[in-house]
Amino acid sequence: ELKVEQNPLFLSMQEGKNYTIYCNYSTTSDRLYWYRQDPGKSLESLFVLLSNGAVKQEGRLMASLDTKARLSTLHITAAVHDLSATYFCAVDIGGGADGLTFGKGTHLIIQP
Amino acid sequence: GAGVSQTPSNKVTEKGKYVELRCDPISGHTALYWYRQSLGQGPEFLIYFQGTGAADDSGLPNDRFFAVRPEGSVSTLKIQRTERGDSAVYLCASSLGRGGYEQFFGPGTRLTVL
Repeated sequence: ELKVEQNPLFLSMQEGKNYTIYCNYSTTSDRLYWYRQDPGKSLESLFVLLSNGAVKQEGRLMASLDTKARLSTLHITAAVHDLSATYFCAVDIGGGADGLTFGKGTHLIIQP
Repeated sequence: GAGVSQTPSNKVTEKGKYVELRCDPISGHTALYWYRQSLGQGPEFLIYFQGTGAADDSGLPNDRFFAVRPEGSVSTLKIQRTERGDSAVYLCASSLGRGGYEQFFGPGTRLTVL
């Protein structure tokens, strides 16, 4: 059974600081997705990572994938209040099992 | 263009009743997924359609849950004899194809079983 673990689950940080969210998964996969969810809202796709060593950046967010370590990171640079949200990573293992398995999410609060 | 839409946005029902939740995917997306999200948790996969057929229904919790997509576009998730534990937000997502394609999520239907 595929397990996806995120840490931390809760993070409070100040504006202007840098931080990294980690996503570990238990089964071989080279498909890793990051989503953002605001309170009471649906999920917004941030990044799709499809190969070992993939790195994608959008604004203050950068995501990377190490398939050998079964690890993805979401790095936040110089955080701003607008980035406060819950961030989920998700994995699919393919082979006919194309539904995503999500982590529990990282609840991020950025204080002014 | 229009995103994934879901109706109703909220549904309150009594234990034992039958409910139907509808999902209208992005036009041209052949893959459609249903997930369930409980409070404070990540979404949990229920079922995946490729075209009209359910390619993977391994996430359906029991036989009270059923989903159809008769024409390869709109899908309906059906829950019989609802239980209080079925209360959750039901999310629908669609993508251009299977495996490795970005999944776009709808706003969800919040189901409350009293």
